[in-house]
Amino acid sequence: DTAVSQTPKYLVTQMGNDKSIKCEQNLGHDTMYWYKQDSKKFLKIMFSYNNKELIINETVPNRFSPKSPDKAHLNLHINSLELGDSAVYFCASSLTRTEAFFGQGTRLTVV
Amino acid sequence: EDKVVQSPLSLVVHEGDTVTLNCSYEVTNFRSLLWYKQEKKAPTFLFMLTSSGIEKKSGRLSSILDKKELSSILNITATQTGDSAIYLCAVASNTGKLIFGQGTTLQVKP
Repeated sequence: DTAVSQTPKYLVTQMGNDKSIKCEQNLGHDTMYWYKQDSKKFLKIMFSYNNKELIINETVPNRFSPKSPDKAHLNLHINSLELGDSAVYFCASSLTRTEAFFGQGTRLTVV
Repeated sequence: EDKVVQSPLSLVVHEGDTVTLNCSYEVTNFRSLLWYKQEKKAPTFLFMLTSSGIEKKSGRLSSILDKKELSSILNITATQTGDSAIYLCAVASNTGKLIFGQGTTLQVKP
C-alpha cells in the first residue's frame, strides 16, 4: 500500500564506496524527485524527472547520477562517497502541478 | 536566487495555545505555495495555496496566501502535543521545482 517507497531506510558505508538508493511510486504520478535534507533539516532539491526525462538538475556533483527506467521508478546512484554526503535523502512524486508526496527517507551515513 | 524564508525557526508553546507560523518567498514563476508537517520521517502534505486571500482549513489548522506581500501564514488553534513537529513551507515554480524554507520547529508542552 505504500505510495512512495525507498530502499534502504538506513545506509552506513565507508568513504570512497559507491552506493544506490531505490525509489518506487505506485500513485501513477508523472514526476519524481530526489531531495537532500541536511543536519539542519533543510530540504534541497537535487533532481526532478518528468516521464523519465530529466527536467531539473540542481548543480549536484556528477558523482550523483539519477536513473529513471520508467515513470514509477527513480533511483539514485552515488560514486566515491564523501563525508559531506551524509544526510537523509528523500524521494518524492507528484502529478504535474499538484502537491508532492514523499517517501520515508534514506539516512545515509558515510564514515 | 529563489528563496523561501520561515519564521520563527523554533517555537515552544503549551497545549491549548494558538500559534501562527510565517512564510515569505521570492520565487520567479510562482505557481503555488505548500505547507508540510514533518514528524520523524517523511514530510506529509497539509495545504496547497494558489489563490490570494482564500483560507484553507483542516480541523484546527488553517492557512492563507497573500500574493501581494509574497507570504503565507499557517495557524494552529488549541494546540496539542501531537502538533509537535517541523512545519515546512515550500513554493512550487512553473519549472516544477519545489523550493523549501528552513522549517519551523514547533514543540507543544503538556
